[in-house]
Amino acid sequence: DAGITQSPRHKVTETGTPVTLRCHQTENHRYMYWYRQDPGHGLRLIHYSYGVKDTDKGEVSDGYSVSRSKTEDFLLTLESATSSQTSVYFCAGGDRYNEQFFGPGTRLTVL
Amino acid sequence: AQSVTQLDSQVPVFEEAPVELRCNYSSSVSVYLFWYVQYPNQGLQLLLKYLSGSTLVESINGFEAEFNKSQTSFHLRKPSVHISDTAEYFCAVSARGFGNEKLTFGTGTRLTIIP
Repeated sequence: DAGITQSPRHKVTETGTPVTLRCHQTENHRYMYWYRQDPGHGLRLIHYSYGVKDTDKGEVSDGYSVSRSKTEDFLLTLESATSSQTSVYFCAGGDRYNEQFFGPGTRLTVL
Repeated sequence: AQSVTQLDSQVPVFEEAPVELRCNYSSSVSVYLFWYVQYPNQGLQLLLKYLSGSTLVESINGFEAEFNKSQTSFHLRKPSVHISDTAEYFCAVSARGFGNEKLTFGTGTRLTIIP
């Protein structure tokens, strides 16, 4: 029972390089979400998806894009990574009542 | 839009003592309310939720929270804490109804249990 998995779990990259984080779910959640977690800010929504090929922006979407070509997979792309995007990224899936189930997180460091 | 305020960023408590973690929310519409827990180096797990009905909700590990509409609060309580309760706790709110599929999180409260 994998639930929601994220890959990679850790990544170090350099400023200006593109980065893609992957979220995979086995629970057939309709909705999927990408958050970033930073000290003092809690979790902030980057983008979310309400179905295959249907996505929308969250509160901190600048510099990020997403894609969902299959129900199971939700990709987050940093087109050109910056040091301000150093963070822990969480993927989540959800259905009714906005209850969400989270992956283990990806720690991204941009040097 | 909704917002959540968790005034206490850190709460130290002695083992077996009671604890209350405060959560206040703001919303112009009816809401669902959640508490999530994050253990070190892990993702968030749902602790308990208020959707409708009884305003007092409980978790399987002894936590409870009470929805107070007049005070727009959803405080989390436990009568006797254990070392294993050491974690960060996040309160979250979402609007009821179709088309409102997003959660808004508070900034979290780090609960530290002192032996």
